[in-house]
Amino acid sequence: QSALTQPPSASGSPGQSVTISCTGTSSDIGDYNYVSWYRQHPGKAPKLMIYEVNKRPSGVPDRFSGSKSGNTASLTVSGLQAEDEADYYCSSYAGSSPWVFGGGTKLTVL
Amino acid sequence: QITLKESGPTLVKPTQTLTLTCTVSGFSLSTYGVGVGWIRQPPGKALEWLAHIHWNNDKRYRPSLKNRLTITKDTSKNQVVLTMTNMDPVDTATYYCAHTGARYDFHFDYWGQGTLVTVSS
Repeated sequence: QSALTQPPSASGSPGQSVTISCTGTSSDIGDYNYVSWYRQHPGKAPKLMIYEVNKRPSGVPDRFSGSKSGNTASLTVSGLQAEDEADYYCSSYAGSSPWVFGGGTKLTVL
Repeated sequence: QITLKESGPTLVKPTQTLTLTCTVSGFSLSTYGVGVGWIRQPPGKALEWLAHIHWNNDKRYRPSLKNRLTITKDTSKNQVVLTMTNMDPVDTATYYCAHTGARYDFHFDYWGQGTLVTVSS
């Protein structure tokens, strides 16, 4: 069970859009539409932002969107705001060992 | 309102067994489809899934830690317990419990605040 691959960092200016990638394999992201994304502020618990590739939980702004192509999933944050500065983690269903997380991406709002 | 709260020791010695309790409210551990998982995060590092238990007592474990982990639930107490044997300093981490809401949900929609466990002699 290998971790999903995310870029360690990403950045953008307020109002801009930024996309974070998450690369897995044909045994996880490539085979299932069960990709989720979490936002984590320092010292806080993760918060679900996207599930099942592109669905948003109630209360999550539509500035957050998800997609998938092949073995790679992506999270796009549009209209960047200061509060979006945080660590972002992707996760995917991976069969018999159900959950695998990515290494995390630190998003900086310039 | 769904809430989860982790409790347990903040410091354990190497080779000891860690027992963590997740006390839940706002849902029943016997409701069809419901599950609770444990996820940990070493300081400054990524999230790592450890174990999960479903309403029907179906249990899953991280393969690399399977021999050290046990997850159980007590529906009457609204608690899920994780035990990890033979603790090592590399197991120092914040341990979270989190909720999954349906049989084929593979995302954690509610999380506890986490509890920091330090392994040191």
